[in-house]
Amino acid sequence: EDQVTQSPEALRLQEGESSSLNCSYTVSGLRGLFWYRQDPGKGPEFLFTLYSAGEEKEKERLKATLTKKESFLHITAPKPEDSATYLCAVQAEGYQKVTFGTGTKLQVIP
Amino acid sequence: DSGVTQTPKHLITATGQRVTLRCSPRSGDLSVYWYQQSLDQGLQFLIQYYNGEERAKGNILERFSAQQFPDLHSELNLSSLELGDSALYFCASSVSGREQYFGPGTRLTVT
Repeated sequence: EDQVTQSPEALRLQEGESSSLNCSYTVSGLRGLFWYRQDPGKGPEFLFTLYSAGEEKEKERLKATLTKKESFLHITAPKPEDSATYLCAVQAEGYQKVTFGTGTKLQVIP
Repeated sequence: DSGVTQTPKHLITATGQRVTLRCSPRSGDLSVYWYQQSLDQGLQFLIQYYNGEERAKGNILERFSAQQFPDLHSELNLSSLELGDSALYFCASSVSGREQYFGPGTRLTVT
């Protein structure tokens, strides 16, 4: 069964203080690893898809990387508006189902 | 705005009742997914439809059912509601079967 574990559960940063969120996964053949951002009471917002180890993608202050067992979401010089829960999800080859982690709740303090 | 719409936004009902949640996918997306999100369990996949046919099933209870209509909108039916069914229900759509675009959700409260 596919498994996704995210750490830490919660992270509090000062504005400008860079850090990384971790997503460890177990899947029988990776079709895709996804990162989403979710604001309270809202639907998850798609950020990135990573397909193979070594791949990296960037968007503004966010950079996602992928290894065979983990993915990291690096946040550079975060701003208060980056505060949200960040969800990681995986999809196995040959399957439609996507398995989500429980997320990392990020708070950026001005 | 993802382009996925869900109605209603909020629903309050009593135990034992039946409700229907509605989702309209993004234009051109044939796949629709339903998820349940509660505080203690995170985002749980319920079921997926592709162009009117069921494609994948997750941890969906027998009291729950869904369908996708010819115009591609989808409905999730929840019956014999229990207090534990209170949650946010999200619909997502996809064109590729990979990246999913989520709607704003329906918050269901069972009293």
